[in-house]
Amino acid sequence: DAKTTQPTSMDCAEGRAANLPCNHSTISGNEYVYWYRQIHSQGPQYIIHGLKNNETNEMASLIITEDRKSSTLILPHATLRDTAVYYCIVRARTSYGKLTFGQGTILTVHP
Amino acid sequence: EAQVTQNPRYLITVTGKKLTVTCSQNMNHEYMSWYRQDPGLGLRQIYYSMNVEVTDKGDVPEGYKVSRKEKRNFPLILESPSPNQTSLYFCASSLLTAGTIYEQYFGPGTRLTVT
Repeated sequence: DAKTTQPTSMDCAEGRAANLPCNHSTISGNEYVYWYRQIHSQGPQYIIHGLKNNETNEMASLIITEDRKSSTLILPHATLRDTAVYYCIVRARTSYGKLTFGQGTILTVHP
Repeated sequence: EAQVTQNPRYLITVTGKKLTVTCSQNMNHEYMSWYRQDPGLGLRQIYYSMNVEVTDKGDVPEGYKVSRKEKRNFPLILESPSPNQTSLYFCASSLLTAGTIYEQYFGPGTRLTVT
């Protein structure tokens, strides 16, 4: 699975959009981009995933660049409860579900 | 409510005393997996199961056993726990869609301390 690079930490004001970048320059054609988050020591929570096209669900939007070498997770209206560690993971279809979490980005949402 | 449950949530035990951490999901998921999370090491997969009676090793299987006799349950067994198995453990489950695992649901975690 391709390696990902994320900023160590980011801040965001409550109510504003949080844009979390992820670099995955070695991604290959059959690898998906996944985003999970973990609040404190709770179980990780799935957010969204995509292959080529931009994706949106009730939690977030995922923007993948045309060359697929980077992506951005967008939380459109961040709340205090969105404060968490956000993990960008690149995984092939055949990796038997294994999730390898890197250091992630600590997002702090301020009042 | 769709969920993955783990028991116990917290456990302190002594070296060598066999223990089982249970994991159960109510979503009829084929895929289940166990991870451990340690500071600085991230999440590491211990074992996974693609369906009933089908299990395989992850990256760190030494010292652990699993079984998958029923679709909903995937217990993690530590036959002879040692202090280096002190960790935060997560169980996860997912549907298999055309042989692919997408969204994984995680349990709340079990914090294990082995003294």
